[in-house]
Amino acid sequence: DAGITQSPRHKVTETGTPVTLRCHQTENHRYMYWYRQDPGHGLRLIHYSYGVKDTDKGEVSDGYSVSRSKTEDFLLTLESATSSQTSVYFCAISAGPPNTEAFFGQGTRLTVV
Amino acid sequence: GQQLNQSPQSMFIQEGEDVSMNCTSSSIFNTWLWYKQDPGEGPVLLIALYKAGELTSNGRLTAQFGITRKDSFLNISASIPSDVGIYFCAKMEYGNKLVFGAGTILRVKS
Repeated sequence: DAGITQSPRHKVTETGTPVTLRCHQTENHRYMYWYRQDPGHGLRLIHYSYGVKDTDKGEVSDGYSVSRSKTEDFLLTLESATSSQTSVYFCAISAGPPNTEAFFGQGTRLTVV
Repeated sequence: GQQLNQSPQSMFIQEGEDVSMNCTSSSIFNTWLWYKQDPGEGPVLLIALYKAGELTSNGRLTAQFGITRKDSFLNISASIPSDVGIYFCAKMEYGNKLVFGAGTILRVKS
């Protein structure tokens, strides 16, 4: 298994509070991604990173920010959590071209009450 | 919204039957990827396709990259209970941005 660790694995938080999810990799891969998974929508890209301090938005980036200060860590922050952000969040890593394979973490189940 | 259209949304089949699912896009691109997600786990890559017309097999799985470069199908032969899960198609966009379809949920009756 690729060395990807997501933390926490489960979290319940209150509306309006900030939340940070962490993705840690031991593979030294250049690319890292954050997705959310909701029934009927599949995996939707929130933000991704193509190097240290280099990030870009995905299709559902509103209400989320990211940071990548080290190759191995990619943080996802919900600035002020809302109930619509209740979801399962997945981190993924990829070495980049020509290798197209992405490896996924086990997910973080976030509930905003 | 989703840029990849997957069908069917779900399937409930008898063990031993063959399965077929497909994915279409309004734009052409150079790489099709098929992933499977087991319950409670992250997705895992099954097959990658890089050329129009390419046909690739992985055990009981067969996938093809459409000639128009806008579609792909995935077939599973002789389904077994462990085939249950969600199957996703995905494409690699410019900048190594990986975008997924909404998925096909597969259930198998034994």
